Parts: sequence; structure tokens; C-alpha cells
Amino acid sequence: NAGVTQTPKFQVLKTGQSMTLQCAQDMNHEYMSWYRQDPGMGLRLIHYSVGAGITDQGEVPNGYNVSRSTTEDFPLRLLSAAPSQTSVYFCASSYFGSEKLFFGSGTQLSVL
Amino acid sequence: GENVEQHPSTLSVQEGDSAVIKCTYSDSASNYFPWYKQELGKRPQLIIDIRSNVGEKKDQRIAVTLNKTAKHFSLHITETQPEDSAVYFCAAVPRDSSYKLIFGSGTRLLVRP
Repeated sequence: NAGVTQTPKFQVLKTGQSMTLQCAQDMNHEYMSWYRQDPGMGLRLIHYSVGAGITDQGEVPNGYNVSRSTTEDFPLRLLSAAPSQTSVYFCASSYFGSEKLFFGSGTQLSVL
Repeated sequence: GENVEQHPSTLSVQEGDSAVIKCTYSDSASNYFPWYKQELGKRPQLIIDIRSNVGEKKDQRIAVTLNKTAKHFSLHITETQPEDSAVYFCAAVPRDSSYKLIFGSGTRLLVRP
């Protein structure tokens, strides 16, 4: 099992550009989520999904979109990147009935 | 919504000493409190957790205590070793949102050899 796989590992964008961070898991987990990690602010929940076709907002959803068309994939879209979105992004998943999160290896995003 | 505060932000201890990290939460309905360890450049990984119906849980050199009345919980690491150096995050899960882990701001622990 690969677990939770995130791509790319690093990305540099210019202000206003759009991109999609990819996340896939092969553990058949129902729950998937996106966090951003900033110095001194811990991990903040952006969006989450409890199953295919179901998504909801977390603590800091503005500027990000998500969709969940399959159990395996949960992409995060930045429609118009801003410098404030410079961060490390982690995707995480868990199976139904467990709060234990399995994290991906992260994507380091810089917006210039 | 839930809010989790974590202290201290940095902690430096001598190898062999104990380390204590404290967190407070705001939602009295929260019922699950995990701790994650993140080594430099790595992903966070669960190291221990506790539920609201338990006051203390131990796993070898690490333990977590929970005081529901005061709404705070703590991570205790005894006989610290250099490999314990990492960032530690506490989190709380509200009762009505089983999957929405709300994290504290993290504690950077340095164990000096």
C-alpha cells in the first residue's frame, strides 16, 4: 500500500495563477481532508469530505475549492493564487469510525 | 467552534529529563484528544490519544492526561532521548464532528544530548 500520496512535492506559482494539488489514498478510507501548515499556527483544516460526492468547509476554506468524485481522490484547487496561500499543504485520510489521521508527505507551495 | 491553545511553543530539555506540553480546549463537548509528532521534513504521525471517558493513558515513555473540568490535557515524555526532538501537535475533536480535528499551534521540542 502506498498510503496517502500527494503531488507535487514542491510548487512555485505567480499571483493569480491557478493549480490543483493532488491527493490519492489506496486504503479505501471514507474520510479525507486538507490542512495547511504555517509557522506558529499549527495545522488548519481547509476542507474535508466524508465520502464521494460530499464535501464541507473547515476553518480556513476561502480561496480553495475541492471535489470528491471517487473514494480515492480528493484534489484541492486554488483558482487564483495569492501570496497568503504560501504554505505547506497536507492531505489526510481516515476510515469510518476512526479519528486517526494518515497524512500524506505534503506539498510546499510558494506564491510570488 | 472548537479552539485549541498549546504551550509552550518551544521547549528545550536535557537528555534524560522529562518534558511536558499542555493544551486547553474550548468546546466542552469535545471527546477525543490525539497527539501528533512531526519530525523535521516529515509528515505528522499519531503517537498517543485519549478519549473523554479516560483520565490518563500511557505508552512506554509517553503519557497523556486529561482534565475535563478544566478543559485541558497534557503530553508527558519521560527519559527524553535525542530522537524525541520534533514538533508535537495536540488536537481536539468536537463530539458533533467526528472527523474535524482542530489542532493546536505546535510545540518544538529539542532534546540536548
